[in-house]
Amino acid sequence: AQSVTQLGSHVSVSEGALVLLRCNYSSSVPPYLFWYVQYPNQGLQLLLKYTSAATLVKGINGFEAEFKKSETSFHLTKPSAHMSDAAEYFCAVSEARHAGGTSYGKLTFGQGTILTVHP
Amino acid sequence: NAGVTQTPKFQVLKTGQSMTLQCAQDMNHEYMSWYRQDPGMGLRLIHYSVGAGITDQGEVPNGYNVSRSTTEDFPLRLLSAAPSQTSVYFCASRRAGTEAFFGQGTRLTVV
Repeated sequence: AQSVTQLGSHVSVSEGALVLLRCNYSSSVPPYLFWYVQYPNQGLQLLLKYTSAATLVKGINGFEAEFKKSETSFHLTKPSAHMSDAAEYFCAVSEARHAGGTSYGKLTFGQGTILTVHP
Repeated sequence: NAGVTQTPKFQVLKTGQSMTLQCAQDMNHEYMSWYRQDPGMGLRLIHYSVGAGITDQGEVPNGYNVSRSTTEDFPLRLLSAAPSQTSVYFCASRRAGTEAFFGQGTRLTVV
């Protein structure tokens, strides 16, 4: 079984401040992890992904995330927030290998974190 | 290369009506999924498929049916629409170990 918990449904930062969005996962097998962004009334866009290569992953728009197996975490960070970063962010997990059945086809999402950026 | 195409974009149904949400992908992805998105609840998995002829239930399957007769298509059927099914629906496809590609969504209202 796999699950994702995003700590904080709303995060508010000032423009230029550090952005930190928290994601913890649970998976019975090694995971693949993803961060997606959704702007209002749009679909989901991939920010970055961890697929068992480097544990520090860089994505688009200056975002990065670090896979920490011991903490079962995959927190998303950006050193300096921009007004255009205001959106909803989703963390997601899938299985990295077959664990039997069809569960390897599932991609499970967290509840989402709405990021607000103040001028 | 169109990616993932969902139709319709908007739909209003009366309680008890049935309808099919269409999803097609042209990337030869083996995995396809349907999600519903409700405020504060993220994306919840309805049904998914790991290949033609193979489907399985997700987190919230009740009231929905799927089938996967081809690699490209993965329609979602609402059997008897209820107001609780008012939501935004997303179809997604991916290969093993890679990210999902999403359609633009279908905004469904059941009155």
